[in-house]
Amino acid sequence: ETGVTQTPRHLVMGMTNKKSLKCEQHLGHNAMYWYKQSAKKPLELMFVYNFKEQTENNSVPSRFSPECPNSSHLFLHLHTLQPEDSALYLCASSQVGYRGFSYEQYFGPGTRLTVT
Amino acid sequence: GQQVMQIPQYQHVQEGEDFTTYCNSSTTLSNIQWYKQRPGGHPVFLIQLVKSGEVKKQKRLTFQFGEAKKNSSLHITATQTTDVGTYFCGVNTDKLIFGTGTRLQVFP
Repeated sequence: ETGVTQTPRHLVMGMTNKKSLKCEQHLGHNAMYWYKQSAKKPLELMFVYNFKEQTENNSVPSRFSPECPNSSHLFLHLHTLQPEDSALYLCASSQVGYRGFSYEQYFGPGTRLTVT
Repeated sequence: GQQVMQIPQYQHVQEGEDFTTYCNSSTTLSNIQWYKQRPGGHPVFLIQLVKSGEVKKQKRLTFQFGEAKKNSSLHITATQTTDVGTYFCGVNTDKLIFGTGTRLQVFP
């Protein structure tokens, strides 16, 4: 499946580094999402962008900074992360209708992040 | 707020046995979605249920939406090793909320 792509697939960074995750969707959807997946919380919603506007910030620490320049691209900027931020970061997209109703979500392959 | 519980958390079965996972919500749902995530993979959409009491089948998988639209189940008949993975339900409120997932392991 190539509908949603993510780069890089693996990332190791120190706590003082700054890095960015990139997501691109080729499905013409109007909403994009960042999820964190770890053993503790299987699918934890972080951010939602609907028509490029952020509609959800699920109490995410400010060391995670999302950016959505257009409806096809989504970034997650990372700085001064902690070891507990090590996880799989998944991007998804969907078509969103009335009152935020989400049709099926299509996920990218994820970025496996390790913070040392 | 909206709570979505899935049970069981883990299930180990012998190949050929049946498997069922349940998704329970604290509120009435407009619809429910099911996803499967293979080990090392990403969640993949399986199906969406909308109507009260709705039952849908995909080969050996049977999906059911409760009459009160507060719960749903996914049943796999005669499991195969290819069924291994984590099954998530997702419920729509003002956003899609995922359940905690059920991890299925199938022993040959």
